[in-house]
Amino acid sequence: KNEVEQSPQNLTAQEGEFITINCSYSVGISALHWLQQHPGGGIVSLFMLSSGKKKHGRLIATINIQEKHSSLHITASHPRDSAVYICAVYDTGNQFYFGTGTSLTVIP
Amino acid sequence: NAGVMQNPRHLVRRRGQEARLRCSPMKGHSHVYWYRQLPEEGLKFMVYLQKENIIDESGMPKERFSAEFPKEGPSILRIQQVVRGDSAAYFCASSPGTFFYNEQFFGPGTRLTVL
Repeated sequence: KNEVEQSPQNLTAQEGEFITINCSYSVGISALHWLQQHPGGGIVSLFMLSSGKKKHGRLIATINIQEKHSSLHITASHPRDSAVYICAVYDTGNQFYFGTGTSLTVIP
Repeated sequence: NAGVMQNPRHLVRRRGQEARLRCSPMKGHSHVYWYRQLPEEGLKFMVYLQKENIIDESGMPKERFSAEFPKEGPSILRIQQVVRGDSAAYFCASSPGTFFYNEQFFGPGTRLTVL
């Protein structure tokens, strides 16, 4: 069983749609990261969360520590948002776990 | 301020050869992490280093793999006697402090192909 589960695995959306990607984890965590991996392979850190909610432009990330769940939302999606979105957690035992990613395609 | 640099970007080796992957962290960052991404799989943590110290190598294969981050110069991930299963993308990331509470900045990766 994976410590970090993401859903959906694949997602196709029309440009302008509101998108939600979910991440559930089974360990106690110190922090949770959302990463974006572009088709060319480059990885960008989007958010680091330990509680609450963060917003950056059209991206919003939330975390519910009690429910061990985080969501990444993209408002007014655009084709350039097409990428793999990865959830990663640092557990309280100093271990680092990655989800397998959600592949998002936004169609013009 | 240049980002995290990795070289080479692509590396081809024959089975049994050695592969050396280099990572130069962002200026001012003293913490380096190495990750491996096998084809069609997610990222996996390998090792976390500070200058001259290995902090956590729990993700490193027990044999043939080693990493260092010397006082001067880049961090090096070394794979001896490579096998086909080592073919993967290897990413390095750096942060200014401990990875628990700091954002990591990723390099572009080195794609290793073992023939």
